Amino acid sequence: AQSVTQPDIHITVSEGASLELRCNYSYGATPYLFWYVQSPGQGLQLLLKYFSGDTLVQGIKGFEAEFKRSQSSFNLRKPSVHWSDAAEYFCAVALTGGGNKLTFGTGTQLKVEL
Amino acid sequence: DAGVIQSPRHEVTEMGQEVTLRCKPISGHNSLFWYRQTMMRGLELLIYFNNNVPIDDSGMPEDRFSAKMPNASFSTLKIQPSEPRDSAVYFCASSQTNRGSDTQYFGPGTRLTVL
Repeated sequence: AQSVTQPDIHITVSEGASLELRCNYSYGATPYLFWYVQSPGQGLQLLLKYFSGDTLVQGIKGFEAEFKRSQSSFNLRKPSVHWSDAAEYFCAVALTGGGNKLTFGTGTQLKVEL
Repeated sequence: DAGVIQSPRHEVTEMGQEVTLRCKPISGHNSLFWYRQTMMRGLELLIYFNNNVPIDDSGMPEDRFSAKMPNASFSTLKIQPSEPRDSAVYFCASSQTNRGSDTQYFGPGTRLTVL
């Protein structure tokens, strides 16, 4: 079955520290890949997306993600976390040629310690 | 651009009552999606429309749920009768096309509580 896995439910980092959030997918082919962020009481905002080409993708708010086909992963990174980055982060996939039906991971809640 | 607009933002109702959630997609977008978010099941796609036509409603939990899109600028999600297990945050999203590569833009959500 097709699936998206975010193995870390909660992550706590200190402000200024680096961050990596993990995402793995299980599909027959390379899907389209997305990272969204949800602040408390808010909708989801797109951070970045990967379709093809350069496997390192830059997004908003200083985030980047790297697609690794061999590992079926699309991990999100930020070199220096700010307190305002505290939120929930969702990895999502859409099948190529399958319309744009998104399947989301379960999310990773990020806490930032000052 | 006003973004995706949802109303109401909060809804509290009693079991058995009819609930209608509303969504106005971004102007010019031709795909619209309804999602439900709960602690237990995370984010689930309920249904999506392309050019006002329902394309995939396989995520609609049961016949108590129905969705319509009478025109390009308005959609409703109705629950009748509502049950406590329907309590969740319901999101509407829209995109410009139905390609998998297209970005979906989410509304702020409607938090539904069924007592």
